[in-house]
Amino acid sequence: DIQMTQSPSSLSASVGDRVTITCRASQSITNYLHWYQQNPGKAPKLLIYATSRLQSGVPSRFSGSGSGTDFTLTISSLQPEDFATYYCQQTYSTVTFGPGTKVDIK
Amino acid sequence: EVQLVESGGGLVQPGGSLRLSCAASGFTFSEYWMSWVRQAPGKGLEWVANIKQDGSEKYYVDSVKGRFTISRDNARNSLFLQMNSLRAEDTAVYYCAREGWLSAANHWGQGTLVTVSS
Repeated sequence: DIQMTQSPSSLSASVGDRVTITCRASQSITNYLHWYQQNPGKAPKLLIYATSRLQSGVPSRFSGSGSGTDFTLTISSLQPEDFATYYCQQTYSTVTFGPGTKVDIK
Repeated sequence: EVQLVESGGGLVQPGGSLRLSCAASGFTFSEYWMSWVRQAPGKGLEWVANIKQDGSEKYYVDSVKGRFTISRDNARNSLFLQMNSLRAEDTAVYYCAREGWLSAANHWGQGTLVTVSS
């Protein structure tokens, strides 16, 4: 199976900060990489699919990039509602998620 | 509006069985791959299984192969997960999700909690 890692596992940031989360796959997954946001007690929400495509209704401060094995999720200006846990997911082969990155308030 | 509503969770003893259901509405259910994803308490997301539009292809995570069966009834707009030989490590919130482009899960239900304990 393809293993997914994320860094950092957690970070503290302030409203207005630029935040970058990295996701790495154990082998090439081309662009089969997606990002989700999850708030406590809630279902995950798709933010970015196919590496860089913004899901309908998601604010443009979210962006994704990368290819092959290395990917990033960037939040250009962190808003109060963005404090959450973020997961990457690969669907190139048997589906796996990254371990998550928790973004909390500094 | 797309809606996915899971049901069927609860407390079950180790070795027991449970059948989860997911009622879909607001879209043409028969046109989409569907998935089950779970989340153990305080842990991350784990994909469990998915199924093709007509049910002809099904895939599972290794840890549930031979114990869980995913199925669907397109006439009833419903997705199911039959879980047998349940173990404590199957304790989780189980979400059903609709797959979209490149199999990204673009709609999720609210989840149903399965607790395996004696």
